[in-house]
Amino acid sequence: KAGVTQTPRYLIKTRGQQVTLSCSPISGHRSVSWYQQTPGQGLQFLFEYFSETQRNKGNFPGRFSGRQFSNSRSEMNVSTLELGDSALYLCASSPGGVNTGELFFGEGSRLTVL
Amino acid sequence: AQTVTQSQPEMSVQEAETVTLSCTYDTSESDYYLFWYKQPPSRQMILVIRQEAYKQQNATENRFSVNFQKAAKSFSLKISDSQLGDAAMYFCAYRSATGSSNTGKLIFGQGTTLQVKP
Repeated sequence: KAGVTQTPRYLIKTRGQQVTLSCSPISGHRSVSWYQQTPGQGLQFLFEYFSETQRNKGNFPGRFSGRQFSNSRSEMNVSTLELGDSALYLCASSPGGVNTGELFFGEGSRLTVL
Repeated sequence: AQTVTQSQPEMSVQEAETVTLSCTYDTSESDYYLFWYKQPPSRQMILVIRQEAYKQQNATENRFSVNFQKAAKSFSLKISDSQLGDAAMYFCAYRSATGSSNTGKLIFGQGTTLQVKP
């Protein structure tokens, strides 16, 4: 079974630009969550999508948004990039039910903002 | 709000020895999951072990075991017979089991970098 796939793995943007990251979950998983990882703030929850609906959201500004498609693939978008948005963005998938245990993570997308 | 604290930024252990990583958490909920995740330099997070709060028995996975003290809100990870491949950053994480809306939300500690010396 293929794991969680994130693209692109690395990207460099400049301040003010926008970026879109993609995540393909494990087949059959309906929940996709996004996390931001930085040395200073650690791992922080961005949002979760389940069956094309956002059902949980972390404490991030509106510049961070996401969506989920009918095949459960998800994208997240960051508009008007700031230097502080430089981070590793991790996607995680799970079956999505109430009794779901662990999340399964992708390798991440490393974003550098210059 | 729930919080997770890992007070050891770095730990080191000699190969074949045992090491314990500490984690404490704060919650008012009674039903939740706790996890230890490993993040090797390749960056992909891998689940090491999980514990359901309603289970009193400590979880064990091969060389990895936990000491879950619910009343003390403590969840430490013991790695026995440490191997070079165990070198990584380890994260303790909490997930609420209350309501489906919290399914994909993990609250992580700051992580502990484990060095294994040959």
